[in-house]
Amino acid sequence: EPEVTQTPSHQVTQMGQEVILRCVPISNHLYFYWYRQILGQKVEFLVSFYNNEISEKSEIFDDQFSVERPDGSNFTLKIRSTKLEDSAMYFCASRFTGDLNYGYTFGSGTRLTVV
Amino acid sequence: QKEVEQNSGPLSVPEGAIASLNCTYSDRGSQSFFWYRQYSGKSPELIMFIYSNGDKEDGRFTAQLNKASQYVSLLIRDSQPSDSATYLCAVRKDTGRRALTFGSGTRLQVQP
Repeated sequence: EPEVTQTPSHQVTQMGQEVILRCVPISNHLYFYWYRQILGQKVEFLVSFYNNEISEKSEIFDDQFSVERPDGSNFTLKIRSTKLEDSAMYFCASRFTGDLNYGYTFGSGTRLTVV
Repeated sequence: QKEVEQNSGPLSVPEGAIASLNCTYSDRGSQSFFWYRQYSGKSPELIMFIYSNGDKEDGRFTAQLNKASQYVSLLIRDSQPSDSATYLCAVRKDTGRRALTFGSGTRLQVQP
């Protein structure tokens, strides 16, 4: 079964450093998403991406965050200057279409720890 | 009022019993509804989704949707210890924010 692949599985970084989280969505999917889950809390939407541009973003997705699809297969989330409160699991998800009858497939996640 | 509400649990059922998980949502513009299973430290895994009123069955799982009552449920028949996990309800609207909005999840414990 096709999978969404995320690397690295765990990233430890110092506060103020930049991190890039990488995702390879399912190959024929067109919609891409980043979500995060702080330990013990619910899954929160960050940003959605379609046709090489951001289609929607949440209040969490401020100027320190950016996304891009540099080569047509990878989908990256960059956090420019990490803060302690950015520590969370970050999930990439993809979807074939925007229609009602398709589910979202999540990757295995990257655990980001900011120290 | 939370957009998607779930009882945090734990919901404890004996092996072989039916587990019933419930979710309510506040926005009547919500169009499709998803149930995900999440084991501790793992990513959400899609169980099923529903967008029409009524029941939708897939194996041991049945999703039920009542848009008038803004209520969606998941029934798990013949519950197994391996079903022990947190079950996340997620909602997608057709207008405004179209990304999935998740509830906090219900922890299910199936006792052998």
